[in-house]
Amino acid sequence: AQSVTQPDIHITVSEGASLELRCNYSYGATPYLFWYVQSPGQGLQLLLKYFSGDTLVQGIKGFEAEFKRSQSSFNLRKPSVHWSDAAEYFCAVGVRGGYQKVTFGIGTKLQVIP
Amino acid sequence: DTGVSQDPRHKITKRGQNVTFRCDPISEHNRLYWYRQTLGQGPEFLTYFQNEAQLEKSRLLSDRFSAERPKGSFSTLEIQRTEQGDSAMYLCASSGRTGPETQYFGPGTRLLVL
Repeated sequence: AQSVTQPDIHITVSEGASLELRCNYSYGATPYLFWYVQSPGQGLQLLLKYFSGDTLVQGIKGFEAEFKRSQSSFNLRKPSVHWSDAAEYFCAVGVRGGYQKVTFGIGTKLQVIP
Repeated sequence: DTGVSQDPRHKITKRGQNVTFRCDPISEHNRLYWYRQTLGQGPEFLTYFQNEAQLEKSRLLSDRFSAERPKGSFSTLEIQRTEQGDSAMYLCASSGRTGPETQYFGPGTRLLVL
């Protein structure tokens, strides 16, 4: 079965600073990979996804992520964080074939300080 | 495309009562998923529908839980004899493709069992 590890439960960055959120997955083949963002009390919004092809994926709100097969990682990055980026970020892995059963990580809560 | 909607957004109930939640997926989507998210955790898969057929249920879905999607459009999730451990956010997602797919999430229903 697939699994996702987000090693950082909570991260604090200054507004304008760069951001990298870590995600490692475990799956026997090349997975489908996702990053979602969740604001307090809200549902999940898709930031970006990787299915195949170019390993550097661009998403919404200026986010990008890079799939590194050798490291089983899919880290999320943003060059300059805005106060509105404060939220919880979830990495997720989907299984190829059949329907899309998605497994989520525990999440990383991002705090942005002025 | 009006997105996935869920009703109610919040529900407070007493232990032992029955509750029912509704999910309306994006209109052209034939796949529908329910997830449960407890505090400090990522969403966990509960069940999956393709059209009106319920094709998989997680072992998290005890006998007190039942989900339906009678006409392949909206879905309901019922919890009978609620317990305090059922307190969580219940998220619905839908998708419309075979193969690589993206699940779009609703805002969730927050359940509190007193």
